[in-house]
Amino acid sequence: ETGVTQTPRHLVMGMTNKKSLKCEQHLGHNAMYWYKQSAKKPLELMFVYNFKEQTENNSVPSRFSPECPNSSHLFLHLHTLQPEDSALYLCASSQDSANTGELFFGEGSRLTVL
Amino acid sequence: KNQVEQSPQSLIILEGKNCTLQCNYTVSPFSNLRWYKQDTGRGPVSLTIMTFSENTKSNGRYTATLDADTKQSSLHITASQLSDSASYICVACSNDYKLSFGAGTTVTVRA
Repeated sequence: ETGVTQTPRHLVMGMTNKKSLKCEQHLGHNAMYWYKQSAKKPLELMFVYNFKEQTENNSVPSRFSPECPNSSHLFLHLHTLQPEDSALYLCASSQDSANTGELFFGEGSRLTVL
Repeated sequence: KNQVEQSPQSLIILEGKNCTLQCNYTVSPFSNLRWYKQDTGRGPVSLTIMTFSENTKSNGRYTATLDADTKQSSLHITASQLSDSASYICVACSNDYKLSFGAGTTVTVRA
């Protein structure tokens, strides 16, 4: 099994749909992250969870709702998105959110909002 | 203003040639500097992590350098291969564990 697994890899949704992105890590890490990657732009940190607790919300609109039921799983619930939300959404994990160690990324979920 | 600037934005090189990517950062106080490789449609993969006390670090044909005084880093690719075609992302980490990402340099290696 790969270290960080994301599903689905591709998602197309309308502006009124509700969908969820899933991330699972098999590395025994305690911190998990959601990043947004738009073309030609730096990765934008969205949310950080450390030991299942949200420790950072980087002013993300409420149409993005994260959920972390345990240290191995992370979800991003999507609702009433806008076309500008189309991007690659990357999940990552690290030993903990004292982030001096390595960050491991998943393959990403490519989201297209019509 | 982004705290990590990478140049060039993109470059094309012939297979077997060398190339160097640049990264300037303003993150302070500084903890470490990372380079990631991101293949098209995939997630970033770590190449190197360097603390302020390290000047150079190699990972196979990839060699990263760091000058903490001038806040500059470079990534040198030796004897490029087609599989080196990817985006290379520079990331500066502060002492309070905040990561600042560059926009990346897209490298295309042609046969």
